[in-house]
Amino acid sequence: DQQVKQNSPSLSVQEGRISILNCDYTNSMFDYFLWYKKYPAEGPTFLISISSIKDKNEDGRFTVFLNKSAKHLSLHIVPSQPGDSAVYFCAASGTSYDKVIFGPGTSLSVIP
Amino acid sequence: DAGVIQSPRHEVTEMGQEVTLRCKPISGHNSLFWYRQTMMRGLELLIYFNNNVPIDDSGMPEDRFSAKMPNASFSTLKIQPSEPRDSAVYFCASSFRLAPDTQYFGPGTRLTVL
Repeated sequence: DQQVKQNSPSLSVQEGRISILNCDYTNSMFDYFLWYKKYPAEGPTFLISISSIKDKNEDGRFTVFLNKSAKHLSLHIVPSQPGDSAVYFCAASGTSYDKVIFGPGTSLSVIP
Repeated sequence: DAGVIQSPRHEVTEMGQEVTLRCKPISGHNSLFWYRQTMMRGLELLIYFNNNVPIDDSGMPEDRFSAKMPNASFSTLKIQPSEPRDSAVYFCASSFRLAPDTQYFGPGTRLTVL
């Protein structure tokens, strides 16, 4: 049973518009949430994270929102750029931070 | 810095053969992780080491899988015997502390078992 779910396998967005990637989790013990970005033939790279004590974290064009009561988080990319086209993984870990559970990923295509 | 190095980048083998994947972590990092990515299950943690000691191998799918870290600069993931369902991309990652946002991933090894 997947503890971290990304129900949209793919998403297409026009350049300049907002991209919203969603993630749901089932384990209430998760304390720390992350987004990773992966280009073809490369390993995932860390993008942004949020602690469970916050509901929003922003880094440039990337913002992550956390709704603990709904066990839901989202990644907003504004404005979207063609270079953002990649697979985005949502991930979560407990307070020990050692074991990270990844979602299946969402493939984002930003159309010029 | 060369980053995490994995070899080979691609491996094609026949069912029943032994497969060994190799990883060189970033110098100075004391934690090493092995992940597997498949279409069905996404990215799964197989095993991780801290200071060369295996800490959690609960993600290793079967006894056919084994991992070692003989020193701080080298780790192997071995599958013996390999099966077609082992076909996946295997990633190695390293970090200087047990915090997920510090993990640096290698480029992965694409394994195909025929």
